[in-house]
Order: sequence, then structure tokens, then C-alpha cells
Amino acid sequence: GEDVEQSLFLSVREGDSSVINCTYTDSSSTYLYWYKQEPGAGLQLLTYIFSNMDMKQDQRLTVLLNKKDKHLSLRIADTQTGDSAIYFCAEIYGGATNKLIFGTGTLLAVQP
Amino acid sequence: NAGVTQTPKFQVLKTGQSMTLQCAQDMNHEYMSWYRQDPGMGLRLIHYSVGAGITDQGEVPNGYNVSRSTTEDFPLRLLSAAPSQTSVYFCASSSSGRVNNEQFFGPGTRLTVL
Repeated sequence: GEDVEQSLFLSVREGDSSVINCTYTDSSSTYLYWYKQEPGAGLQLLTYIFSNMDMKQDQRLTVLLNKKDKHLSLRIADTQTGDSAIYFCAEIYGGATNKLIFGTGTLLAVQP
Repeated sequence: NAGVTQTPKFQVLKTGQSMTLQCAQDMNHEYMSWYRQDPGMGLRLIHYSVGAGITDQGEVPNGYNVSRSTTEDFPLRLLSAAPSQTSVYFCASSSSGRVNNEQFFGPGTRLTVL
């Protein structure tokens, strides 16, 4: 099967930038996603990038896509304590519109 | 809109018992999916449906059944629960009409099988 890999844990200080990395395997993925899961809740779409883009910026969020290396990253500028959560990257598997392959998730801990 | 709702929020079963996890959405979405979330493994797709009357298997379908008799509901059945099915279960829905194929998730059901 397809594997999407992430580091498990990241700790940053409030006000610093956070960078969460992800490697994926399906080069035919049309969209790649970042989902956020707060404690005890379901996942919410944070941002996404279309595969023909290298970068997407959305307020404090910057997504970088390196298709050659199949590497996706999420940068959160001016990280706040409210950003503490688990972040999942995901890719569409096999071109189907609703079959997502999720990474293992990165727990972001923001220290005050 | 209530979005995606799941019941129950918590459930404890004994090995061999059966139960149904309920999922409903009020957004008229064609696609619905069930995932399980286990520590260090992300979310894995169990079953999915592309419309009423149509279901298919995901990555980890064994031990689970689904049906989709209406657009709104997508129940997940455990016929004979096993401790390996202890997990958090998420239901999600999406519409082909959204350009980014965003999936909307329910709040989850935490299941423990003793």
C-alpha cells in the first residue's frame, strides 16, 4: 500500500515558526492536504495544495510542495498555543476523489 | 447544518458482541467514508461509499460491514467485536462538487473491546 510519513512530535516556543514535514508516495496525487486535529475532536481541513503548484500561502500558513522528492511541508508563522494539535498530511490515493491516505500525524506542542 | 454526526461518542464492548456505529450527514454529500485512528498509524480507511446503494472496501475492511440505503446515513457494523478493533472511529463525507474534495469529519466514536 501507499505510505505517507511524518515525524511524530515537534515542540516550539510561542511566537516561533513551526515546520511540519511529510513525504508521500503516489506521484499521481492531484491534491495534497493538511488536516488539523484538536484534542478529542475530529479532523478539520487546514489547507491544501494542487499538485501543479510549488507553494501556497494562506495567512500564517505556507505549504511547500517538492514533487521531485515527493515532499510536502507546512510552515506556521508566529505559532500560538492554540496551534497545539496533531497535524496530518494526506494524499488522494489512486485518483479516486474520496480515498485519502493519511500520514501518521505530527503532534505540535507550543510552549508559552 | 449539523454537519457530520456520530453516535455513540463512547462504547465498551465484550469480545464477540456486535454493534452498529451510526453516522449521518445533512449536507447532501455523495461520498461517505469510515476511518479508524490508532496511535502512531494515522487514519486508515475501512469502507467507503460513492452514493446510496454503493459501497466498497478500503485498506482495513475485515471485521466490518457497511450499507448505504440513504444519502444521509452510513452505519458501520461490527459483527463480532475483537480487542484489535479497539480504536477511535471517524466518519467523513465529501461532495464531488467541491474543487478541493474536502472531507468533513464527525467528532468520532471511541470504542473499547475487552
